[in-house]
Amino acid sequence: GAVVSQHPSRVICKSGTSVKIECRSLDFQATTMFWYRQFPKQSLMLMATSNEGSKATYEQGVEKDKFLINHASLTLSTLTVTSAHPEDSSFYICSARDSSGPDTQYFGPGTRLTVL
Amino acid sequence: GQQLNQSPQSMFIQEGEDVSMNCTSSSIFNTWLWYKQDPGEGPVLLIALYKAGELTSNGRLTAQFGITRKDSFLNISASIPSDVGIYFCAGSSWGKLQFGAGTQVVVTP
Repeated sequence: GAVVSQHPSRVICKSGTSVKIECRSLDFQATTMFWYRQFPKQSLMLMATSNEGSKATYEQGVEKDKFLINHASLTLSTLTVTSAHPEDSSFYICSARDSSGPDTQYFGPGTRLTVL
Repeated sequence: GQQLNQSPQSMFIQEGEDVSMNCTSSSIFNTWLWYKQDPGEGPVLLIALYKAGELTSNGRLTAQFGITRKDSFLNISASIPSDVGIYFCAGSSWGKLQFGAGTQVVVTP
């Protein structure tokens, strides 16, 4: 149980285009999901908290207009990187908390974004 | 977010040896979590701890939630080559996770 999927697993795009990443909780409902960014050989950096049915909460320094988050259902959150630039290239990982379970986050497999 | 103090930063061990790592924090947590991350993958939950003093095992893994609620340790017994990876601790109090910097484990035959 407690499986989280992400799609796509890797994406290459041209500078200036937008990229959407999906995060799904497959066997549980998640009112709260989280989006992280991870640089090589570093720990995970929280970007934003995604709340079902309401606006996401962004961490300091994360541009909400650049990283659009939508949490339209209890099993799906999306992160859209708008007008992507090479510096946005990174490993993006989502996590989900089971709404009916204990305080535990389950992570997706990650999405490798490369912006040319 | 704020990082926990996780040590050691890396470990080079021989197959069959035991591994110990720990995390400390200045903050109290309600939950301690231990994850393993392989290259190019997301973190996988190994053990979750929900009560101070709790000692939990998952196969060759054992973790404890410190009595003060400010620390936790993870032990791996009789290491095998597939134990290679980065292990992260994380603390939570029904909010954002706070992560340790990770412990890189390398197992040599």
